[in-house]
Amino acid sequence: AQSVTQLGSHVSVSEGALVLLRCNYSSSVPPYLFWYVQYPNQGLQLLLKYTSAATLVKGINGFEAEFKKSETSFHLTKPSAHMSDAAEYFCAVTTNFGNEKLTFGTGTRLTIIP
Amino acid sequence: DSGVTQTPKHLITATGQRVTLRCSPRSGDLSVYWYQQSLDQGLQFLIQYYNGEERAKGNILERFSAQQFPDLHSELNLSSLELGDSALYFCASSEGGGLYNEQFFGPGTRLTVL
Repeated sequence: AQSVTQLGSHVSVSEGALVLLRCNYSSSVPPYLFWYVQYPNQGLQLLLKYTSAATLVKGINGFEAEFKKSETSFHLTKPSAHMSDAAEYFCAVTTNFGNEKLTFGTGTRLTIIP
Repeated sequence: DSGVTQTPKHLITATGQRVTLRCSPRSGDLSVYWYQQSLDQGLQFLIQYYNGEERAKGNILERFSAQQFPDLHSELNLSSLELGDSALYFCASSEGGGLYNEQFFGPGTRLTVL
């Protein structure tokens, strides 16, 4: 079975500062990894995904994530935070083997300080 | 707007009752997924249908059932409701059947069980 752990349920950064949201995964087979964003009172929106191609994945809104197998990590970064980035972010994992299931982390709420 | 619609937006009911949540996928999408988001359990995958057939199953209780109709809309039936079933229920859709396909989420149905 696969799982993801998001370190830090709340992260605050100043506007213009680097955003770093951490995600570590556990999977016995090659994983597919995702980052989703959820704005207040809305559904989830896919930011980016890793499906075994390039290890550095670029997504929407200036976000990117790097798949590091040696560290079992898939951290989300953005060089310069914007007020509109305030939301909850979810890391998720699935595989292409057996009974597929998308497993989400517990989420990280990102607050941007003006 | 993701193109996925869910009705109703809000539902308030009593313990022991039965409710039906409805989802219409984006035009052309064959897969429908159901998720439950609660404070206790976080975001959990419940079940996936692909072109009318059950494709993958997650943490769905036996009191819950779903189906996908020939016009590809889906319904999630929740019966013998308990207080703990209060949650936000999301539907998502994707073009393909694999869980690694991008999923587009609806705005959710907020269920309150009193």
